Amino acid sequence: QQQVKQSPQSLIVQKGGISIINCAYENTAFDYFPWYQQFPGKGPALLIAIRPDVSEKKEGRFTISFNKSAKQFSLHIMDSQPGDSATYFCAASRFSGGSNYKLTFGKGTLLTVNP
Amino acid sequence: DTEVTQTPKHLVMGMTNKKSLKCEQHMGHRAMYWYKQKAKKPPELMFVYSYEKLSINESVPSRFSPECPNSSLLNLHLHALQPEDSALYLCASSQERQDSNQPQHFGDGTRLSIL
Repeated sequence: QQQVKQSPQSLIVQKGGISIINCAYENTAFDYFPWYQQFPGKGPALLIAIRPDVSEKKEGRFTISFNKSAKQFSLHIMDSQPGDSATYFCAASRFSGGSNYKLTFGKGTLLTVNP
Repeated sequence: DTEVTQTPKHLVMGMTNKKSLKCEQHMGHRAMYWYKQKAKKPPELMFVYSYEKLSINESVPSRFSPECPNSSLLNLHLHALQPEDSALYLCASSQERQDSNQPQHFGDGTRLSIL
């Protein structure tokens, strides 16, 4: 069964600190790895995504690190702010022609950034 | 604000009622999705439409009936639901490309409660 394992389940970080969330996958055919941020009462919002031909992608304070050989990828949030407090989902999909229909999600990480 | 608009935001219905959830996007996306999300869980794929045709049904009970009237609209018709169907129902859309996966953009969902 295709799986994406996400850790930790919850994370508490002080303001200004670095938040790190890790994901591991099994299916080597996965070729697209997005991260979603979800606030209570809202839908998931695409935060950043990476493809396996690069090892790192940075957008502002958010960085994805990707290790193809280890089948792992992680999200780093630099200078974490209370406004970053949310649930984060990693996901993976395999291109099968036409669309990335099926996203396999991790179970989510509840991030709390204390002021 | 998301570019995928879902109505209503909240819906309470009895088990014998018939209601519909609506989703609209104007990004020119030709793939549209319905997801179900229970509290503290990742979204679960229900249906996928590609170019207004149903392409994936993830073995969803027939009390859920999707409809895609045109390229911008997606409906989910509900009938004889069960209390366990109470959840956040999310709509998403993405471009259709023949060469790579495309990001899925989610709406803020309809919070459905079955009495």
